[in-house]
Amino acid sequence: AQTVTQSQPEMSVQEAETVTLSCTYDTSESNYYLFWYKQPPSRQMILVIRQEAYKQQNATENRFSVNFQKAAKSFSLKISDSQLGDTAMYFCAFIIQGAQKLVFGQGTRLTINP
Amino acid sequence: NAGVTQTPKFQVLKTGQSMTLQCAQDMNHNSMYWYRQDPGMGLRLIYYSASEGTTDKGEVPNGYNVSRLNKREFSLRLESAAPSQTSVYFCASSDGLQRGHNEQFFGPGTRLTVL
Repeated sequence: AQTVTQSQPEMSVQEAETVTLSCTYDTSESNYYLFWYKQPPSRQMILVIRQEAYKQQNATENRFSVNFQKAAKSFSLKISDSQLGDTAMYFCAFIIQGAQKLVFGQGTRLTINP
Repeated sequence: NAGVTQTPKFQVLKTGQSMTLQCAQDMNHNSMYWYRQDPGMGLRLIYYSASEGTTDKGEVPNGYNVSRLNKREFSLRLESAAPSQTSVYFCASSDGLQRGHNEQFFGPGTRLTVL
């Protein structure tokens, strides 16, 4: 069975600091996609960043970047120059290529303090 | 461009009542999904529809039924609501299988309370 584990239920940092959220996953498949979703208090699920497992290069979207370690099945999210608007729940998720089921972790509640 | 829309946004039911959650997408996506989100847990898949005319069970289908009315609309029905179905429900859609990246787009969610 595919699983996703986020070991940090809550994190808190000061504005402008850098923060890293951890995610590990378990699958026997070799072709899959990994995602980080942000869920602010509005409840809307917003895609932050996406990584294809067949790509060795780590994905980057502005202040958001990932550290993808395929052999270790690790997919951490780094937020640089954190902003108050980054306060949200963050979910790690993955999906096997060709499958329909998106598997989510339990989430990390991130608070950015002024 | 509305994306994925859900109605209602909030609903309170009594045990045993029935209701239907509505979902529509305007992105011409083939696949649609229903998830539930409970405190301390990520989203769990209830049912999905890979294409118009097909539906399949997800991880937690018991107590729910779905209908893929057409390509745009995918409804979730609770026939006899139970307190254990108190949750936030999300609809999502995707055409990622065609593009190869499986990205799913989510609606704003429905907060359902069953008393």
